[in-house]
Amino acid sequence: SAVISQKPSRDICQRGTSLTIQCQVDSQVTMMFWYRQQPGQSLTLIATANQGSEATYESGFVIDKFPISRPNLTFSTLTVSNMSPEDSSIYLCSGAWGDGYTFGSGTRLTVV
Amino acid sequence: AQSVTQLGSHVSVSEGALVLLRCNYSSSVPPYLFWYVQYPNQGLQLLLKYTTGATLVKGINGFEAEFKKSETSFHLTKPSAHMSDAAEYFCAVSGYGNKLVFGAGTILRVKS
Repeated sequence: SAVISQKPSRDICQRGTSLTIQCQVDSQVTMMFWYRQQPGQSLTLIATANQGSEATYESGFVIDKFPISRPNLTFSTLTVSNMSPEDSSIYLCSGAWGDGYTFGSGTRLTVV
Repeated sequence: AQSVTQLGSHVSVSEGALVLLRCNYSSSVPPYLFWYVQYPNQGLQLLLKYTTGATLVKGINGFEAEFKKSETSFHLTKPSAHMSDAAEYFCAVSGYGNKLVFGAGTILRVKS
C-alpha cells in the first residue's frame, strides 16, 4: 500500500495566523481526503481534495477557512486560516485507491 | 450516503475475556467496512476490512469481524483480551472510491 508523509507533525501557532499542512504520497492515488480529530473525538471529514479542481467541502467547513490544494495525484495541502484556539486538533490526510485507504501520521495543532 | 453507529463509547473487559465491539452501518451502496485502532497519541492502524467475498474477516492481533448484511452490522471480536488491546477503536464505512465515514469510536479498557 501507499505511504503518506505528512508534515509538520506538530505545531504551536498564534491565534490569527495560518498554518499549511502538506501530504506527499509515494504513489498516485485517485482521491485524497482531509480529516480533523478534535480532542477526545472521532475523525470528521473536512473535504475531498480533487486533482485539478476545487475541493469538495463537507457541511460546516468552508474554503475560506480551510483552503486545499491538489496540484497532482501525489500531493495535497490543507491550510488552516485565521486560527483560533477552537482549531486546536489533529489534522490527518488520507489517500484512497481501489478498496484501500492510507492515512498520514497526523499534524497535532495547538493554537494559543 | 454512509453513516456508522458504534454502540458503547466505553467498553471494559477483564484480561482473557471476550472482546465485542459493536458497529452498525448505513449505506446506499454496497459497503466497504473497516476497523481501525488508535493508541494514545498515535495514528490510525488498520485492523481489518471487508470489501467483497467472505463475510468473516480476520485481521491483525487476533481480531476478526463478520459482515452481516441483514443486520447491517460489522461487529469486532477477539476471543481473549490482552492488556495491550487497550485503545480506541473506530468503525468506518465507505463505498468504492468514496470518502470514508467514521463512527464515534469505542474506548476499550482491559482490566487485570
